[in-house]
Amino acid sequence: EDQVTQSPEALRLQEGESSSLNCSYTVSGLRGLFWYRQDPGKGPEFLFTLYSAGEEKEKERLKATLTKKESFLHITAPKPEDSATYLCAVQNFGNEKLTFGTGTRLTIIP
Amino acid sequence: GAVVSQHPSWVICKSGTSVKIECRSLDFQATTMFWYRQFPKQSLMLMATSNEGSKATYEQGVEKDKFLINHASLTLSTLTVTSAHPEDSSFYICSARDRLAGGLVPYEQYFGPGTRLTVT
Repeated sequence: EDQVTQSPEALRLQEGESSSLNCSYTVSGLRGLFWYRQDPGKGPEFLFTLYSAGEEKEKERLKATLTKKESFLHITAPKPEDSATYLCAVQNFGNEKLTFGTGTRLTIIP
Repeated sequence: GAVVSQHPSWVICKSGTSVKIECRSLDFQATTMFWYRQFPKQSLMLMATSNEGSKATYEQGVEKDKFLINHASLTLSTLTVTSAHPEDSSFYICSARDRLAGGLVPYEQYFGPGTRLTVT
């Protein structure tokens, strides 16, 4: 059974204070690992897809990296508008389902 | 691109009534749509996978007679909560996969904005 564990559960940072969110996973055959951002009361917003160990992708202040066991979402010089819950999910080659972690609730303090 | 809409965004209904939620892919065709449920401060739980023109596949523990799913076209899937009870109150979110995605690449799912259901 595929499993995803995200840490920390919650993270509070000062504006401009860089940090990383962790996503550890076990999957029988990784088709892809996905990062989403979810604001309260809204659906998840797609951020990144990774599927090869060593792969990196960037978007504004966010950079996602992937190893064979985990992924990191690095946030550089965050702003208050980066406050959200960040979800990690994996997909295996057996089907199209996404298995989600419980998310990291990120709060950026002005 | 890759926009998914849901309607309604919120609904309040009385116990025992049925509620229908629509999920549409606006700028792409979706062979497969997914329905999730999310409780406060919890992650998304997949309820069922919906394929255009065929019966939905439900996850273990999800009552197929209570949560009726219809995927009548490549851009529309509906979830009907039948004989709703207060414990069905939740945030329901759909997602869709572009029909053109395939092969060995990851299948990205694009999510709708969600529907908040409250059963009184």
